[in-house]
Amino acid sequence: ETGVTQSPTHLIKTRGQQVTLRCSSQSGHNTVSWYQQALGQGPQFIFQYYREEENGRGNFPPRFSGLQFPNYSSELNVNALELDDSALYLCASSFRQDSTDTQYFGPGTRLTVL
Amino acid sequence: SQKIEQNSEALNIQEGKTATLTCNYTNYSPAYLQWYRQDPGRGPVFLLLIRENEKEKRKERLKVTFDTTLKQSLFHITASQPADSATYLCALDMSSPGNQFYFGTGTSLTVIP
Repeated sequence: ETGVTQSPTHLIKTRGQQVTLRCSSQSGHNTVSWYQQALGQGPQFIFQYYREEENGRGNFPPRFSGLQFPNYSSELNVNALELDDSALYLCASSFRQDSTDTQYFGPGTRLTVL
Repeated sequence: SQKIEQNSEALNIQEGKTATLTCNYTNYSPAYLQWYRQDPGRGPVFLLLIRENEKEKRKERLKVTFDTTLKQSLFHITASQPADSATYLCALDMSSPGNQFYFGTGTSLTVIP
């Protein structure tokens, strides 16, 4: 186990609703990244937070937003859910925002949008 | 846009043999490349990182090569075991602030006893 926890484990929502996913980073880690992984695909980078500031964003619309708290835990919010948002959402934490630093992934939240 | 291709077909090999997985990329020159293992229902687990100026990296039964001319990385598992069965992902750094990565679609490996 990596020490990165995510909640909830599974979630079912309907189209148009809003959802908040949570991630607790590993102790001592100040960087959290969020990824979306559709079935049979690799993780797609959504955004990264470093010391409570957004530090890079992938090709996702503004209805995907995030937050990082002083204890470095993080939230991913998705508004106006669409069917294509159904996926496994992964967060990964690292000690610093360096390309050589190991990312530790949580187990993910499985979101189903009906 | 960045394109990362891994063996599209699942790979089945006999226990004890060497598994070789391929990661090809286009339109980019990453400074780093990482390999991850992902088991069903779990998040990816980091295995190895190789830098652009390194040709080869080893860790126990794992070996990674990085050919920036061919834009290709090969991932080898020697003396494979059924416990090595998983999906293996390669990831390239985006050279943006922080450690953000493009991931390939992954290759499913099954080691047959």
